[in-house]
Amino acid sequence: SQQGEEDPQALSIQEGENATMNCSYKTSINNLQWYRQNSGRGLVHLILIRSNEREKHSGRLRVTLDTSKKSSSLLITASRAADTASYFCATDARGAQKLVFGQGTRLTINP
Amino acid sequence: NAGVTQTPKFQVLKTGQSMTLQCAQDMNHNSMYWYRQDPGMGLRLIYYSASEGTTDKGEVPNGYNVSRLNKREFSLRLESAAPSQTSVYFCASSVRDSEQYFGPGTRLTVT
Repeated sequence: SQQGEEDPQALSIQEGENATMNCSYKTSINNLQWYRQNSGRGLVHLILIRSNEREKHSGRLRVTLDTSKKSSSLLITASRAADTASYFCATDARGAQKLVFGQGTRLTINP
Repeated sequence: NAGVTQTPKFQVLKTGQSMTLQCAQDMNHNSMYWYRQDPGMGLRLIYYSASEGTTDKGEVPNGYNVSRLNKREFSLRLESAAPSQTSVYFCASSVRDSEQYFGPGTRLTVT
């Protein structure tokens, strides 16, 4: 069964706007990761946030983690056409030695 | 560095045929993984290997076998292919508790 659930399943915005995607999970985690997948390609790691961290930034990406609510959000600021992709959260449950992926959010940036 | 490489890129099999998907990484990672991704879905873990000489079942292991040949190579075998195994297969590797690096994928069709 999927550990992470992304919301929304699909998001379409105009170039330059901000995009926010959410992820909820069920069990205690070591860390939560976000990945991007361009159509037909392998996944690319974006950012990792550990269970003792609340917020992390990388360029135009901002990730928050709320372990009390078992949820995370990914914010992409000043979106570009090249950000069009599917975005997946993945959780590394404690003691599991493996990631469990959600079903992803399909993001479309309209020029 | 080539990162994670997978062969073949595409394969068409008839029901009942067998094949082996090859994966190799040159990043000296201990952990390696095999996933499948069905249309519009996230990744589901088939098997993983936390270290050389060990393999463990993931979420959907039925119909598959794996071999961790050495630290670099992790192969996935379909002994008797079924149409339900039509999917895109991704191999990944990682240092424990860290981000995973993905190969480009193998598109498998079973008719």
